[in-house]
Amino acid sequence: AQSVTQPDIHITVSEGASLELRCNYSYGATPYLFWYVQSPGQGLQLLLKYFSGDTLVQGIKGFEAEFKRSQSSFNLRKPSVHWSDAAEYFCAVGSYNQGGKLIFGQGTELSVKP
Amino acid sequence: GAGVSQTPSNKVTEKGKYVELRCDPISGHTALYWYRQSLGQGPEFLIYFQGTGAADDSGLPNDRFFAVRPEGSVSTLKIQRTERGDSAVYLCASSSLGRGDRAVNEQFFGPGTRLTVL
Repeated sequence: AQSVTQPDIHITVSEGASLELRCNYSYGATPYLFWYVQSPGQGLQLLLKYFSGDTLVQGIKGFEAEFKRSQSSFNLRKPSVHWSDAAEYFCAVGSYNQGGKLIFGQGTELSVKP
Repeated sequence: GAGVSQTPSNKVTEKGKYVELRCDPISGHTALYWYRQSLGQGPEFLIYFQGTGAADDSGLPNDRFFAVRPEGSVSTLKIQRTERGDSAVYLCASSSLGRGDRAVNEQFFGPGTRLTVL
């Protein structure tokens, strides 16, 4: 079955510290991978996406993610977290033969300590 | 330009009632998606339109749920005989569906409609 797993429900980091949010997927077809961020009362905003090519992708707000096919992972990273990064982060997977519908993980809530 | 808009932003209804949720996609986007997000969960796919037709409705939980997109733009999600378990945030997204390797494009999400069934 197709699935996306975000093992960490809640993570707390100090402002200025580095961040890594984990995402693992199980998908039969060639996956396209996404990270979205959702702030309270806001819609989902795309941080970055991977379709093909370079496995290290850069996104907005200083985020990056690395696709590792051998590990079925697409972890999100940021070298220095800002207080404004506190939000819910969702990893999602789609594919060409699924018409673009996305399967989301359950999300990781990020809290930032001053 | 305007993003995806959804109305109403909040809807409170009683068990057994009928509700309609509206989505206005980004102008020119041919693909439109509905998702449902329950508390503490990620969005769950419901249905996807390419133009006016429902290309994939495999996520609709049962026949109480129905969606239309008669002119290939605005879409309405309709829920009959609402149940308390239908309470969730209903998200709409649109994208300019491409071809080949770009058939999966970025989906732009609306702010959602929070449905509460009492």
